[in-house]
Amino acid sequence: EAGVAQSPRYKIIEKRQSVAFWCNPISGHATLYWYQQILGQGPKLLIQFQNNGVVDDSQLPKDRFSAERLKGVDSTLKIQPAKLEDSAVYLCASSHESRGEANVLTFGAGSRLTVL
Amino acid sequence: KQEVTQIPAALSVPEGENLVLNCSFTDSAIYNLQWFRQDPGKGLTSLLLIQSSQREQTSGRLNASLDKSSGRSTLYIAASQPGDSATYLCAALLPFGWATSGSRLTFGEGTQLTVNP
Repeated sequence: EAGVAQSPRYKIIEKRQSVAFWCNPISGHATLYWYQQILGQGPKLLIQFQNNGVVDDSQLPKDRFSAERLKGVDSTLKIQPAKLEDSAVYLCASSHESRGEANVLTFGAGSRLTVL
Repeated sequence: KQEVTQIPAALSVPEGENLVLNCSFTDSAIYNLQWFRQDPGKGLTSLLLIQSSQREQTSGRLNASLDKSSGRSTLYIAASQPGDSATYLCAALLPFGWATSGSRLTFGEGTQLTVNP
């Protein structure tokens, strides 16, 4: 099966500019996740969707970050305006189940953001 | 607060040595625990997945164990090779949301492994 697709792979912007990342999950996967991984740290969950509804966005900086999942398939993560500390890799993952031990996440290759 | 901790943060060993990476988590109601490998500038590669009903999983030179009661998992790497050099991340899938279905995959900070030839 095709994996989780993300674009762009790399993006360099200046602070206060905006940026958007796109994710296409594995076909049939109801749950989609966005993680932020700052250099030298483990990934941190930003937002989790179940179909097109938000399950968990408690760690999303809502003053500047937003995400949507139209029609329960593709998702877009936006940052506006960007700050220097937003420099990170943004990882998208998807899974078939939302709960239970059968739940296995598949990750995309990530989008690396550099804010100058 | 759900937390996952990895010790040590960094490890350097000579080639051929057997080694153990440690992971601890605060919630015993874990669904599964997964070990990932991450090479510099790359994405996550899943190594082993241990379901809550299992105690260990093996793949080649890798063996991962899970002890829910003590909140610990270990990744054992036998006969280490320079190609094993990478960051190893553990992630615990924990229940989230008592009123609605959901689970959250929480990562540790990783152990940076260097295997010297």
